[in-house]
Amino acid sequence: EAEVAQSPRYKITEKSQAVAFWCDPISGHATLYWYRQILGQGPELLVQFQDESVVDDSQLPKDRFSAERLKGVDSTLKIQPAELGDSAMYLCASSLFVQGLTGELFFGEGSRLTVL
Amino acid sequence: TQLLEQSPQFLSIQEGENLTVYCNSSSVFSSLQWYRQEPGEGPVLLVTVVTGGEVKKLKRLTFQFGDARKDSSLHITAAQPGDTGLYLCAGDDRTSGTYKYIFGTGTRLKVLA
Repeated sequence: EAEVAQSPRYKITEKSQAVAFWCDPISGHATLYWYRQILGQGPELLVQFQDESVVDDSQLPKDRFSAERLKGVDSTLKIQPAELGDSAMYLCASSLFVQGLTGELFFGEGSRLTVL
Repeated sequence: TQLLEQSPQFLSIQEGENLTVYCNSSSVFSSLQWYRQEPGEGPVLLVTVVTGGEVKKLKRLTFQFGDARKDSSLHITAAQPGDTGLYLCAGDDRTSGTYKYIFGTGTRLKVLA
């Protein structure tokens, strides 16, 4: 069964350090999302890609966060420098985009970040 | 940005009891989805509702989309320990011209055996 792959599963870092997360969506899924989830709360959309283009990054803290999907397949989310408030689960999801229809989001297992 | 408020935030019940979770917004959504998330995993889709007033049933789970497409509810009959998890509603927000999913605040359910 096809899955969304994320790595690393867990990351502990000190504040001011750089951290990067990787996501490989389900093959053929044109839309890729990065969400941030505080424990026990709903996910917050950080950035959305359609193929290699960013279609929404309105909630991405651009002074420290960056995201790319260079070939329209896998994606990297980077934080530099990390701050204590960045501690959270970073979830990647993908969906099969069909114009006019609501698709299912398939999530990876997430990358849990702890900033010390 | 459209907001989705869920209530209650936490719910702890005994096995066999019934419960209802609510998802409310002041904005209209094209469709609404419900997901369940277990600890250490990503959310998994339960259902999508697209028509105002629509009711969908998935075994012991009943989902309803409000007539005005601003709210939704999830009702679980005879809850079981396996229903334990974080329940999330997600609205299909097209106000910016793109398709993006806004998640609710979440309801954490614990069913005790």
